Amino acid sequence: EIVLTQSPATLSLSPGESATLSCRASQSISNYLAWYQQKPGQAPRLLIYDAFNRATGIPARFRGSWSGTDFTLTISSLEPEDFAVYYCQQRSDWPLTFGGGTKVEIK
Amino acid sequence: QVQLQQWGAGLVKPSGTLSLTCSVSGGSFRHYFWTWIRQPPGKGLEWIGDIDHSGSANYNPALKSRVTISVDASKNHFSVNLSSVTAADTAVYYCARGGYAGSGSPDYWGQGTLVTVSS
Repeated sequence: EIVLTQSPATLSLSPGESATLSCRASQSISNYLAWYQQKPGQAPRLLIYDAFNRATGIPARFRGSWSGTDFTLTISSLEPEDFAVYYCQQRSDWPLTFGGGTKVEIK
Repeated sequence: QVQLQQWGAGLVKPSGTLSLTCSVSGGSFRHYFWTWIRQPPGKGLEWIGDIDHSGSANYNPALKSRVTISVDASKNHFSVNLSSVTAADTAVYYCARGGYAGSGSPDYWGQGTLVTVSS
């Protein structure tokens, strides 16, 4: 199965700062990667699909990019509501798999 | 507005069978794959499998011998059964809308059901 490795595990930042989250795939997945945000007690929320497309209603401060098997989620100017856990997920091959998550916490 | 409402038993005995159902309202049921995902307490997400309106299903090989996903397209419902459960199957189980005409990245999710395996 395709393994997704997310880094760092935890990111400690202040509101207004920029966040850069990484997700590396164990093999080529084209651009078939999504990013999710999850807050405690809530279902995950789709932010980005197919590497760089923002889902409906997602603010422009969330941006996805990729190069080869390396994918990046950038959150420019963190808002208080952005502090959460972020997961990447690939849909290139079965079984669909998720990364282990990156927690963005308030510094 | 697509909405998913799920229900099922929150407590299952070891060696028993976990059963959950998800009802879909709004949007097209026919054109999407419908997905089950789980999350053990404090851990990450695991894709269980998905199914389309005709009953064509895909499963995670790690669970394939124990899991069955079924669909009732006449009611816009889909269900998951997981047999021979152990404590390792304790998790929040989510239903979600998957890809258009294929497995994809879920965009609409149910509220989640915590299923605890305990005697």
